[in-house]
Amino acid sequence: KAGVTQTPRYLIKTRGQQVTLSCSPISGHRSVSWYQQTPGQGLQFLFEYFSETQRNKGNFPGRFSGRQFSNSRSEMNVSTLELGDSALYLCASSLGTAVTDTQYFGPGTRLTVL
Amino acid sequence: GENVEQHPSTLSVQEGDSAVIKCTYSDSASNYFPWYKQELGKGPQLIIDIRSNVGEKKDQRIAVTLNKTAKHFSLHITETQPEDSAVYFCAAVVTGGGNKLTFGTGTQLKVEL
Repeated sequence: KAGVTQTPRYLIKTRGQQVTLSCSPISGHRSVSWYQQTPGQGLQFLFEYFSETQRNKGNFPGRFSGRQFSNSRSEMNVSTLELGDSALYLCASSLGTAVTDTQYFGPGTRLTVL
Repeated sequence: GENVEQHPSTLSVQEGDSAVIKCTYSDSASNYFPWYKQELGKGPQLIIDIRSNVGEKKDQRIAVTLNKTAKHFSLHITETQPEDSAVYFCAAVVTGGGNKLTFGTGTQLKVEL
């Protein structure tokens, strides 16, 4: 079974631009979560989607948004990019939203903002 | 919200020795504690997990212990091998919070020959 895939793997943008990242979950998984990983702040939760509905949101500004499609694929968007948005963005999928549903991570998208 | 602290931040051991990584959490409603291993250029991979109704769980060379009273949980790796070198993250999930993972700050484990 294929794992979680994320595209693109690397991205370079300039301040003020916007970016869209894509995540394809493991087949059969209906829950997708997004995390930001930086050396300073570590791994931080962005949001969680299940059945096209956002179920949970982390403490990030409104510039960060996401959505989930009927096939469970998900996208996240960051508008008006800032230097501090440079990070590894990780997507994780799970069967459902039960606490013990294992989350499987993709390789991430490395975003660099210049 | 939940807060997870992890120690040490770096750990260097000789091949064959044991490694122990410790975490504490703040929210008594946390009831699921996974451990992830992250290798360079890859996303975190689950290596073991424990639920709050269990005190200890073992899988070959890896074991996790949980002390709910003290809000501590630990990862134990025995007979370490060079391929164990990676960054390890503990995490906690709070009941009623979906499956949002709150991560510790990570431990860089280096297994030296």
